[in-house]
This record gives sequence, C-alpha cells and structure tokens, in this order.
Amino acid sequence: GAVVSQHPSWVICKSGTSVKIECRSLDFQATTMFWYRQFPKQSLMLMATSNEGSKATYEQGVEKDKFLINHASLTLSTLTVTSAHPEDSSFYICSASKASGYEQYFGPGTRLTVT
Amino acid sequence: KQEVTQIPAALSVPEGENLVLNCSFTDSAIYNLQWFRQDPGKGLTSLLLIQSSQREQTSGRLNASLDKSSGRSTLYIAASQPGDSATYLCAVRAAGNMLTFGGGTRLMVKP
Repeated sequence: GAVVSQHPSWVICKSGTSVKIECRSLDFQATTMFWYRQFPKQSLMLMATSNEGSKATYEQGVEKDKFLINHASLTLSTLTVTSAHPEDSSFYICSASKASGYEQYFGPGTRLTVT
Repeated sequence: KQEVTQIPAALSVPEGENLVLNCSFTDSAIYNLQWFRQDPGKGLTSLLLIQSSQREQTSGRLNASLDKSSGRSTLYIAASQPGDSATYLCAVRAAGNMLTFGGGTRLMVKP
C-alpha cells in the first residue's frame, strides 16, 4: 500500500515552453502533497505544499507564478513549469500524505531537461 | 531554521563491513526522523522511521537510533553488501508536516 506515481518519468522540452508533471496516489487518498526539487548530487529541497482544494503554500524563493501547482482531487496533484529555462532542469519529486502529520510517501521522480 | 547535516558525505567500504552513517539536526523539536535510500536517478525508498519518543528502530540489517536531546541519529548497516550501494538521506519532521533533508551520504560497497 501507499504507492505514489509520477508521470512522466523524464521529459525534455525547449526553453520557453511549459511542461506539466503529474503526481498520483494510487491506493490512498492524499489530502496533502508536496513537491521537491533535487539538483545533481544535492539533497531534496521543498518547493511547495498543497492541500486538496486549496492554494499551494510555496517555500521562500520559489516563484509561484512559474511553478503552478494544482491539487484538484484527493489522488492527483500537478506541477506545471511555465516558460521553462535551462536552469529549471532538475529532478522533481512529489510526495503524498494521508493527512497533515502523517508519513509522506514519495514518487519515483521526474527528470526535466530544458534545452 | 532546522538544519540537517550528514557525515560522511561519501563512504567506500569493502563488502561485509559493518558501517555507521551519521545525521545531526539543529532543532530538537521534531516529531520524527526518517532514513531513506535513493538509487541514482530514482525516487526515495523509506527505510526506517523513528518517532520522537522512540530511541531506535530495526529492519533486517538496518538499525537506526535517535538521540533527540543531542540532535543526532545514526544508521547502522550490518554486513554490508554491494546492493547496499546508494545514497542515504535522513530527514526530520517538525511542525506543519515539513521534512528537512540532510545532504546525504553516498555509499559504495565494493565486492
């Protein structure tokens, strides 16, 4: 139980375009989902926290207009990188939690490369 | 602001050795601490979760301890195997469900 999937697993896009990444909880309802970014050989940095049906809370330094997060259902959250630039190339990982205070279950990650 | 540090950053050992990975955190007001494994280009696999009221957790060849008052945790791996080669991350959870990750220890177990 507690499986989280991400789609796509990797994506290449051109600079200036937008790309959407999906995060799904497959066998549980996730009231809270988290989005992390990981640069090569670095640790995970929390970008934002989203609760189903409400606006996401972004960490300091993360542009909310650039990284659009939608958590419209209890099993799906999406991260859209708008007007992507090469510096946005990174490994994006989501996690899902049944409720605030519960354990986070992590997805397999999405490798984004912006050319 | 919580800061999590992992030492060493990288470790290479021969197969069969017992080893200890260290994690320290600056704010002892945590709910729990979790150890993860990450293979190259992959997501995170949860290994052990220790609640703030617990001192240790064990799973197979893995044992994690927590000394909340001193802000330290160790992950002990017994009889290491080449398949244990990966990056090991520790993360602490404070109020608000937020996880703060350490920089990780990259482990290489040589056959």
